Amino acid sequence: DILMTQSPLSLPVTPGEPASISCRSSQSLLHNNGYYCLDWYLQKPGQSPQLLIYLGSLRASGVPDRFSGSGSGTEFTLNISRVEAEDVGVYYCMQALQNPTFGQGTKVEIK
Amino acid sequence: QITLKESGPTLVKPTQTLTLTCTFSGFSVSTSGVGVGWIRQPPGKALEWLALIYWDDAKRYRPSLKSRLTITKDTSKNQVVLTLTDMDPVDTATYYCAHILYNSGFDYWGQGTLVTVSS
Repeated sequence: DILMTQSPLSLPVTPGEPASISCRSSQSLLHNNGYYCLDWYLQKPGQSPQLLIYLGSLRASGVPDRFSGSGSGTEFTLNISRVEAEDVGVYYCMQALQNPTFGQGTKVEIK
Repeated sequence: QITLKESGPTLVKPTQTLTLTCTFSGFSVSTSGVGVGWIRQPPGKALEWLALIYWDDAKRYRPSLKSRLTITKDTSKNQVVLTLTDMDPVDTATYYCAHILYNSGFDYWGQGTLVTVSS
């Protein structure tokens, strides 16, 4: 299995300020199609997870452009340019190069 | 509009077999590239992928649970069924089904169903 490690596990944020979450995989997530098989999800309190970013850097439909994904190889980052109160919840990265595996989750809360 | 909904028992006894049904609308599981996956989440813990079935009937399973899992699809009923044998209290979790198109992420999720394993 590919192991996914997120950091930090808890992230207090201030509305209007930027925030970032890191995700590291135990092996490269580069697919032979040139894309990185790394997705980001947000699970808001009491809700099902929702897809934010797929293939490393592509925003899912309806996702605000303050969310962006970047990275390569085994190191990936989810950036929020200006955090809003509605962004609180647990963020997960997931690799899809092999059988999917999720990171431990990063809990984002307002300071 | 794509929707998915999980159904099945809320309480099962240890050693029993769990059968969950994902009933969906807005897409066909026979369309090229389409898949339906199952993901679970123990209370207060992280997401855990379980299984995935594709339009061409290809199937993938979580290696550590492969001997206990079976995923099937019924195209005519717009359903995907997951069975998990020999249930244990550690299998207590909310079980989600989700839609995926090729490798573009699980983009639509059901509301989830909480399954408790207890005698």
